[in-house]
Formats: sequence, structure tokens, C-alpha cells
Amino acid sequence: SQTIHQWPATLVQPVGSPLSLECTVEGTSNPNLYWYRQAAGRGLQLLFYSVGIGQISSEVPQNLSASRPQDRQFILSSKKLLLSDSGFYLCAWMGRVYGYTFGSGTRLTVV
Amino acid sequence: QKEVEQNSGPLSVPEGAIASLNCTYSDRGSQSFFWYRQYSGKSPELIMFIYSNGDKEDGRFTAQLNKASQYVSLLIRDSQPSDSATYLCAVDSWGKLQFGAGTQVVVTP
Repeated sequence: SQTIHQWPATLVQPVGSPLSLECTVEGTSNPNLYWYRQAAGRGLQLLFYSVGIGQISSEVPQNLSASRPQDRQFILSSKKLLLSDSGFYLCAWMGRVYGYTFGSGTRLTVV
Repeated sequence: QKEVEQNSGPLSVPEGAIASLNCTYSDRGSQSFFWYRQYSGKSPELIMFIYSNGDKEDGRFTAQLNKASQYVSLLIRDSQPSDSATYLCAVDSWGKLQFGAGTQVVVTP
């Protein structure tokens, strides 16, 4: 069965520090992968999506970047965090049948 | 601007009653529609999807789709306290899901 792993679960980082969040998928090959962010009390905002290794599409220009170094690995990064980067970050993959399956999420607090 | 809109709630529903959630979308080209449930502090989980106009039932959940009116809804029958959560409507737009802000449902004993 397909599973999606995301870590860390929680993260507290100072303003100006770097960020690296990792997501891996098991049990499937060449998945479409997505990074979403959910601000407190808000909906999900699509940040990046990838249809294959090295292929990244950005939905919203901002202080973040994404990379896909391996087929089932998707990384979200920042060189210098801002207070506005705080939120709940979710990785997702799109299955063949329907919809997205989400990872357990990373709650990032920038202080 | 392509949008998905939902009433934010909270929607207070007595235990055992029917909860009715509504969602409208702006992209007429959308073909797939999803309802996710999100408990506080957790990631969303898929509960229903619908592609065709009409009703689709799965247990206590019924999704309704009207593409002409660009409207999708979710009914939760025999609401239970465990149904208390935020329900997110999502619309597929060229392989990417766009989400509404969610409707908070509170089931009261």
C-alpha cells in the first residue's frame, strides 16, 4: 500500500534561519507531489507541485523553494525564514484513482 | 481568479441530526470534486469524491453535485460527536486541488 512520510512533526525556528522539510512516498512510482501551507484558521494554499524528478512548479512567489532529488522525495526549503512563513505544511501525493493523500504535516513556528 | 467558497461556520448540529455543508466554485472546467475532513491539528483525510451530477452516497455521507450551478454539497446523516471537525471542499483544476477555507462543524450532544 502507498504511504507518505513527512517530518519533522513540529519545528520552532528563529527568523532568518534556514528550513528544510522532507517528504517521502512509498509504494508507488513517479507520483505527482505537492506542498501546501495552511495558516491558522485558513484554507490550504498550494505552494509547489512536481510531476517528476527535477520538475518543480511554483504557485505562489515567496520565500520558499522546493526540490525533487529522487522520484519519491520532495523537499521544501528556505534560506531565511520570515515570521509570515509560520503555518502547517502539508505534503501530498495524487493517487491514480482520485484525490490527494496527505502526510501528517509539519507545524512550523517562526519566532 | 479561480475560487472555492464555503461558509466558515461554525455549524452547530444536534447529535443525530443532518449536517448540510455547501460549496461553490468558479472554474466551470472543473471535473472532480472532493470533501476532506480535518480534525484540529491533524492533516486532512478524504471522505468523499464525486465526478458526475447528482448524488453519491457512502455510509452516512452523501455528496451532491450540480455542475450547471457550480455547486457541490455534503450531507452528514445521524451526526455523531466524532463528526465534529472542519470540512474542506476541494476542486480539481488541471491536476491541482484548490481548497475552500473549510466549514467547522460542531455536533452537540
